Amino acid sequence: SQQGEEDPQALSIQEGENATMNCSYKTSINNLQWYRQNSGRGLVHLILIRSNEREKHSGRLRVTLDTSKKSSSLLITASRAADTASYFCATGRSYNTDKLIFGTGTRLQVFP
Amino acid sequence: SQTIHQWPATLVQPVGSPLSLECTVEGTSNPNLYWYRQAAGRGLQLLFYSVGIGQISSEVPQNLSASRPQDRQFILSSKKLLLSDSGFYLCAWRAPGQGGNYGYTFGSGTRLTVV
Repeated sequence: SQQGEEDPQALSIQEGENATMNCSYKTSINNLQWYRQNSGRGLVHLILIRSNEREKHSGRLRVTLDTSKKSSSLLITASRAADTASYFCATGRSYNTDKLIFGTGTRLQVFP
Repeated sequence: SQTIHQWPATLVQPVGSPLSLECTVEGTSNPNLYWYRQAAGRGLQLLFYSVGIGQISSEVPQNLSASRPQDRQFILSSKKLLLSDSGFYLCAWRAPGQGGNYGYTFGSGTRLTVV
């Protein structure tokens, strides 16, 4: 089963613009992670935010988490054509969980 | 450094044929290992995970099975493939003892087409 639902399903922007992707989930979590997937490739881990955190930054990435609304957002600032990829959120339900449940992904297209 | 290898990269198999996909991890011991499947344009579905040799947990009952014959080797198999088994198969690992606060490292995936 899939825990997260990303919104929008697809997003097209120009280089230099910011891209915002949202993720909603259904059950309580220990942490939420964002991954990137280039077409036909494996996933790359971008950032993890714990359930007791509200915001986290990594380079041009900013992640927020609202556990009361069971939602998260990923902001990519000053986007580049190389940011073109699919982005997935994934939730870990407990500290000792052995598995991540992934959402359906947002396909981001950044035009030069 | 740790690396994960997954092969083959692409595979075209007829319906009813067997399947064996292999994943190996280097540079770590006793990793947690995972098999995911991704249908075209969709998210990832967890198929199996393993926390040790011979320990396999199945998430979705289906036409597939998994085995872990060695510490850093994870194999996905089928005795008879179905058309619905087509997809992109991804192996991933995480170091043990890290709890839920670290991300997975994924392999490059196997594109399986059943014809």
